[in-house]
Amino acid sequence: EIVMTQSPAILSVSPGERATLSCRASQSISSDLAWYQQKPGQAPRLLIYGASTRPIGMPARFRGSGSGTEYTLTINSLQPEDFAVYYCQQYNKWPLSFGQGTKVEIK
Amino acid sequence: QVQLQESGPGLVKPSETLSLTCTASGGSISSYHWGWIRQSPGKGLEWIGFIYHSEPPNYNPSLKGRAIMSVDTSKNQLSLRLNSVTAADTAVYYCARRGLTFEAFDIWGPGTRVTVSA
Repeated sequence: EIVMTQSPAILSVSPGERATLSCRASQSISSDLAWYQQKPGQAPRLLIYGASTRPIGMPARFRGSGSGTEYTLTINSLQPEDFAVYYCQQYNKWPLSFGQGTKVEIK
Repeated sequence: QVQLQESGPGLVKPSETLSLTCTASGGSISSYHWGWIRQSPGKGLEWIGFIYHSEPPNYNPSLKGRAIMSVDTSKNQLSLRLNSVTAADTAVYYCARRGLTFEAFDIWGPGTRVTVSA
């Protein structure tokens, strides 16, 4: 199974600033990576797939990048509604696997 | 836009079978692949499996053959059965739609919490 490791576990950021979240795969996943946002009591919401593609309607401040084993989610100009937990997920090989999450909290 | 809603008992006894249903509205369940995912404090998010109405399901090997998924196109529903449950199966269970061109999940149900306890 491919192990996904996210860092940091908690990221403290002020509103309006940029957040940079990392996700590392235990082997190359060829950009078969998705990012999700989850708020308390809600299901995850897809932010990014294919490492860098936003679904229709997703704000441009969410930007995904990376390749091979290293991936980054950048959230520019953090809005109040962006404070949440973020997960990465690989779909290069079965079983699909998720990272343990990064909580973005208000500084 | 399709919407999903999970349903089922919130409490299941150890060694019994967990049975959940996911009802889709606003779109046909026959047009997409679907998945089940669960989330627990101990294991985080865990993929259970994929199903498409005309293909055999695919399961996470970690479930050791205990999971059975099916589709009822006449009711526009998915179902999940998990046999021989233990406390480790306590989680929030989600059904979700798989993307057309990627194996991530673009639409999720709100989830249903299942506790395994005597």
